[in-house]
Amino acid sequence: KQEVTQIPAALSVPEGENLVLNCSFTDSAIYNLQWFRQDPGKGLTSLLLIQSSQREQTSGRLNASLDKSSGRSTLYIAASQPGDSATYLCAVMNSGGYQKVTFGTGTKLQVIP
Amino acid sequence: EAGVTQFPSHSVIEKGQTVTLRCDPISGHDNLYWYRRVMGKEIKFLLHFVKESKQDESGMPNNRFLAERTGGTYSTLKVQPAELEDSGVYFCASSHQWGRRGAYNEQFFGPGTRLTVL
Repeated sequence: KQEVTQIPAALSVPEGENLVLNCSFTDSAIYNLQWFRQDPGKGLTSLLLIQSSQREQTSGRLNASLDKSSGRSTLYIAASQPGDSATYLCAVMNSGGYQKVTFGTGTKLQVIP
Repeated sequence: EAGVTQFPSHSVIEKGQTVTLRCDPISGHDNLYWYRRVMGKEIKFLLHFVKESKQDESGMPNNRFLAERTGGTYSTLKVQPAELEDSGVYFCASSHQWGRRGAYNEQFFGPGTRLTVL
């Protein structure tokens, strides 16, 4: 059974700082890993999708890496801004026939102006 | 292109009542998923449709939950009768094509329906 863990659970940083969010998963047989952000009372916004054959993806100030063999992914946010404040979720899609996604509990990020 | 939409955005019902949630996926997406987040817990998978067929319903908590996707378009999730522990946010997601990899796997989520059972 896939288990996804995110550390830290909460993070508060001053504006402008670079930061790293961590995600670990127990079963390396995955199709892909997806990073989302969720704003309070809102749905999930997809940030980056990394296929199992890839090692990283970049979008603007965001960079996500994937080390499938060790069961880890990181989301790097450069030059953080107050608008980055949200909960960041890591989700893993297992291989093996079904496309079920397992979510982590999330990291709540606060960027202080 | 319109995203995934869900209706209603909020629902407050009494224990024992019935509630039906609706999800409209992105047009042309074969895959439709239901997820649920209860207070303080992670988002958990409920079930997966490929077109009108249930591909995986291993996450459905019990037989009080019934999901349908008539004609392979929108889907409904009915809870009957609702219990207190059913409170939470119900998310729907869709992705492109079954069996395809790459960008076709990417799931797009709706805003969720917040269900409160009193």
